[in-house]
Amino acid sequence: AQKVTQAQTEISVVEKEDVTLDCVYETRDTTYYLFWYKQPPSGELVFLIRRNSFDEQNEISGRYSWNFQKSTSSFNFTITASQVVDSAVYFCALSVIYNTDKLIFGTGTRLQVFP
Amino acid sequence: EAGVAQSPRYKIIEKRQSVAFWCNPISGHATLYWYQQILGQGPKLLIQFQNNGVVDDSQLPKDRFSAERLKGVDSTLKIQPAKLEDSAVYLCASSSGGHGTGELFFGEGSRLTVL
Repeated sequence: AQKVTQAQTEISVVEKEDVTLDCVYETRDTTYYLFWYKQPPSGELVFLIRRNSFDEQNEISGRYSWNFQKSTSSFNFTITASQVVDSAVYFCALSVIYNTDKLIFGTGTRLQVFP
Repeated sequence: EAGVAQSPRYKIIEKRQSVAFWCNPISGHATLYWYQQILGQGPKLLIQFQNNGVVDDSQLPKDRFSAERLKGVDSTLKIQPAKLEDSAVYLCASSSGGHGTGELFFGEGSRLTVL
């Protein structure tokens, strides 16, 4: 069975601090995909990134970076120099090869960035 | 480009009543999803359509939930009769599908409260 665990329920930081959101996944499949989505207060989830299981390269996009480590089954997300607009709930998700669009979400981490 | 449209945004009903939610996906998107998001949890896939056919409805409580996508465009999700535990946000999403990018485009959701 597949499972995604986000142990941090809520994180509060002050603007300009760096913050890392943790994600641990479980799957027996050798081919799988990992995702991060952002859910702002308006409610719609917004796609941030996809990673496949064969690509362990870390990725950086502006203030966002992702660290994928198969050895620890983790796919962590770091926001550098956080801003108030980063306040949202962030979800990590997993899908597997036989239905790559069927996302299994974690319970989410609520990030609050205070000015 | 217009996003995924959902209605109504909010609905309050009493248990044992029925309710229907409507979703219009992004134009041209072949795949449509209904997710249920209970407060404090991650979204859970209820049903996935590819055009007007069902790809996955393994987590849809079929004794009370039904969904259709008759012309392969918009979709309706119905609950009859509703139970207290159906209180949740019902998220519709769409994707161009077919090759499993995992990049789903979500609507703002329909929040259901069952009293």
